[in-house]
Amino acid sequence: AQSVTQLDSHVSVSEGTPVLLRCNYSSSYSPSLFWYVQHPNKGLQLLLKYTSAATLVKGINGFEAEFKKSETSFHLTKPSAHMSDAAEYFCVVSEGTGNQFYFGTGTSLTVIP
Amino acid sequence: GAVVSQHPSRVICKSGTSVKIECRSLDFQATTMFWYRQFPKQSLMLMATSNEGSKATYEQGVEKDKFLINHASLTLSTLTVTSAHPEDSSFYICSVQTSRDTLDEQFFGPGTRLTVL
Repeated sequence: AQSVTQLDSHVSVSEGTPVLLRCNYSSSYSPSLFWYVQHPNKGLQLLLKYTSAATLVKGINGFEAEFKKSETSFHLTKPSAHMSDAAEYFCVVSEGTGNQFYFGTGTSLTVIP
Repeated sequence: GAVVSQHPSRVICKSGTSVKIECRSLDFQATTMFWYRQFPKQSLMLMATSNEGSKATYEQGVEKDKFLINHASLTLSTLTVTSAHPEDSSFYICSVQTSRDTLDEQFFGPGTRLTVL
């Protein structure tokens, strides 16, 4: 069985401080993992993806995530938050069987000026 | 990547009417498209997989007679919500996967917000 747990429904950070959005997954196979961002009234945008290559994945806008198989985690980080980072973030797992994408429940990021 | 559009972006309809939502892959011929549903402040749930030239595959609990999917061409899939009711009000999102590698990313449309009065 596969599932995704985003541990925080809401995260607030001050502008210029680090961002940590947590994601844990369960999967019976070797999964692919993704982080998507959803800004209000806009479509989902891919931030980064892990597909069994390097465990530390760098994405757009300064975000990165590390795949830790032993901890079944794929946490998203950014060294310094910008106001434009305020959005909803989704962690997604795909096992490649039947094209299924499993979404986490999302984490709403607020950036305080 | 792929650019995916949806039309309309917003629709308001009366209870009992049918609404058609279009999903277009603008720069990629997609044999497979996906339809998701997102309730307010909730995650996306896969409704069905739309296959060009064949019947859609529906997820468990999704009524295929209520949510009609047609994928008549490689660039267009439509979702028709038949006899819509207020509980069908939601954000409907389609996506395209450009690679045959099913572990690869999906590209999402901007979504259609349906409000049923």
